[in-house]
Amino acid sequence: AQSVSQHNHHVILSEAASLELGCNYSYGGTVNLFWYVQYPGQHLQLLLKYFSGDPLVKGIKGFEAEFIKSKFSFNLRKPSVQWSDTAEYFCAVYTGGYQKVTFGTGTKLQVIP
Amino acid sequence: DGGITQSPKYLFRKEGQNVTLSCEQNLNHDAMYWYRQDPGQGLRLIYYSQIVNDFQKGDIAEGYSVSREKKESFPLTVTSAQKNPTAFYLCASSPGGSSDTQYFGPGTRLTVL
Repeated sequence: AQSVSQHNHHVILSEAASLELGCNYSYGGTVNLFWYVQYPGQHLQLLLKYFSGDPLVKGIKGFEAEFIKSKFSFNLRKPSVQWSDTAEYFCAVYTGGYQKVTFGTGTKLQVIP
Repeated sequence: DGGITQSPKYLFRKEGQNVTLSCEQNLNHDAMYWYRQDPGQGLRLIYYSQIVNDFQKGDIAEGYSVSREKKESFPLTVTSAQKNPTAFYLCASSPGGSSDTQYFGPGTRLTVL
């Protein structure tokens, strides 16, 4: 079965620090990749996605992610976090073989002012 | 406003009772999904429906049932057979099936006493 791993369960950063959240998946075929974010008290929403083309994708609020096929990874980055980035972040992978999306276990990010 | 509504926000039930969670969308999306979110486990797919009058089991369908009689509605019934029903339930929809971006509702927190 396909699996998605997010190794960082809880990350605490000071404002202006750089962020990188890891996401690895197990499927070797064609994938669609997503990062979703859940701000406190808000709906889960799309942060960014990769379907094809440039493996470096940019999303909302200055976030970006890089698809590295050889490493089965889709890590999320932001050069300088803000207090408002405090949220839970979920990586998700769609594979044609299984024809469904699998979510990672999530990473809670806490940004300290 | 277009979106997904879930009701109620909080639901309490006695053990042994079936309970139905509502999910309605006015986005004209064909596909709809139900997830269960537990701390540290991310989102796990319960059921999904790609089109009206059709649905498939997800990864944790045991003890749950769904129907898809209308495009805009995808109710989830948590039956007494579900061994650990207390959880946060999220409904989502997507325009282009499982490979596409999903749009989430606000969720229903079910507590079984």
